[in-house]
Amino acid sequence: RKEVEQDPGPFNVPEGATVAFNCTYSNSASQSFFWYRQDCRKEPKLLMSVYSSGNEDGRFTAQLNRASQYISLLIRDSKLSDSATYLCAVNSNSGYALNFGKGTSLLVTP
Amino acid sequence: NAGVMQNPRHLVRRRGQEARLRCSPMKGHSHVYWYRQLPEEGLKFMVYLQKENIIDESGMPKERFSAEFPKEGPSILRIQQVVRGDSAAYFCASSPPEPGIHYGYTFGSGTRLTVV
Repeated sequence: RKEVEQDPGPFNVPEGATVAFNCTYSNSASQSFFWYRQDCRKEPKLLMSVYSSGNEDGRFTAQLNRASQYISLLIRDSKLSDSATYLCAVNSNSGYALNFGKGTSLLVTP
Repeated sequence: NAGVMQNPRHLVRRRGQEARLRCSPMKGHSHVYWYRQLPEEGLKFMVYLQKENIIDESGMPKERFSAEFPKEGPSILRIQQVVRGDSAAYFCASSPPEPGIHYGYTFGSGTRLTVV
């Protein structure tokens, strides 16, 4: 089983829609969880950390389910500018290295 | 307050040549991490360095790859005798003396290596 798995998509959604991505991880001892956004041929940019109680940043909501070992990202009121690849990341056993999923591609259409 | 700086942005090498990728951490950061992103693949950890020390190189290929972070100057990722399979984007991140893993990384803009 891979350390971190994501549905590659693509997810094609109209502007204004709500879309959700899940990401599963294999290491039950993981403590740090993140969502990154990566535009084509650019570096990954930290979108948000994921906290145990769930957290929200504007239109973005992240949640952690430790029992089922997955994290989720919900995007409300999608904008054209949200089109990108979304990577989830989970800390490895070392603590300082992150294991990344391959990413989920989102395309928001007019 | 410059972020993580990587250069060159693009690098083209012929098979068998050497590639040197440079990473200057954010001001005040003394820990550097290198990751590689192969086409259609996720980012993979390669190596973690502190000034003058390699802390963890478990993600580095066993041959041809090396990394350093000297007392002065940028961190260098060196690939000798490059092959087509080395073509990838190489990203660097840095953290302060107390590694900020819980805050996530800020990556540099990366070096895209193309081996022809």
